[in-house]
Amino acid sequence: DIQMTQSPSSLSASVGDRVTITCRTSQSISSYLNWYQQKPGKAPKLLIYAASSLQSGVPSRFSGSGSGTDFTLTISSLQPEDFATYYCQQSYTTPRTFGQGTKVEIK
Amino acid sequence: QVQLQESGPGLVKPSGTLSLTCAVSSGSIFSNAWWSWVRQSPGKGLEWLGEIYHSGSTNYNPSLQSRVTISVDKSKNQFSLRLSSVSAADTAVYYCARVRNSGVGPFDIWGQGTMVTVSS
Repeated sequence: DIQMTQSPSSLSASVGDRVTITCRTSQSISSYLNWYQQKPGKAPKLLIYAASSLQSGVPSRFSGSGSGTDFTLTISSLQPEDFATYYCQQSYTTPRTFGQGTKVEIK
Repeated sequence: QVQLQESGPGLVKPSGTLSLTCAVSSGSIFSNAWWSWVRQSPGKGLEWLGEIYHSGSTNYNPSLQSRVTISVDKSKNQFSLRLSSVSAADTAVYYCARVRNSGVGPFDIWGQGTMVTVSS
């Protein structure tokens, strides 16, 4: 299985801050990396697919980068509705695996 | 826009079988997509259980392969999950989701999720 390691596990930030979350994979997955946002009691929502492509309807303050084994999700200016947990996920091969999540909290 | 809706019992007895169905609406299960099950234990992360293509081809998580079966009912435009020999560790929110782009894409559409508790 491809192991996914996100960092940090949690962070505190203020509205307007630039936030960066990283995801490292145990082997190269090219650009088959996706990012999701999950709020309490809700299903995950796709934000970024193929490492850097913005899903339709997702605000442009979200961006993704990376390839191979190292990936980054950036929120350029954190908004109140962005406080949530974020997960990375690889679609390179099965079993499909997720990172452990990064909880973004209000400072 | 395709929508997914899970249904099934919210309570299953230990050693029993968990059975859930995911109805696909506003779209066809014959599309170029894989149809997946993902679960999330309380306060935990996300775990992929397996997936099925409309042809009936399946992929399963090796950690659960001996206990999980996913099937498709093309006439009803739905797919189903069966998880046998359940224990308290299988208590979770179960989501169905679509994997687009013939399997190399993301989970782009999710059901709302259904909570299943394993308890006597």
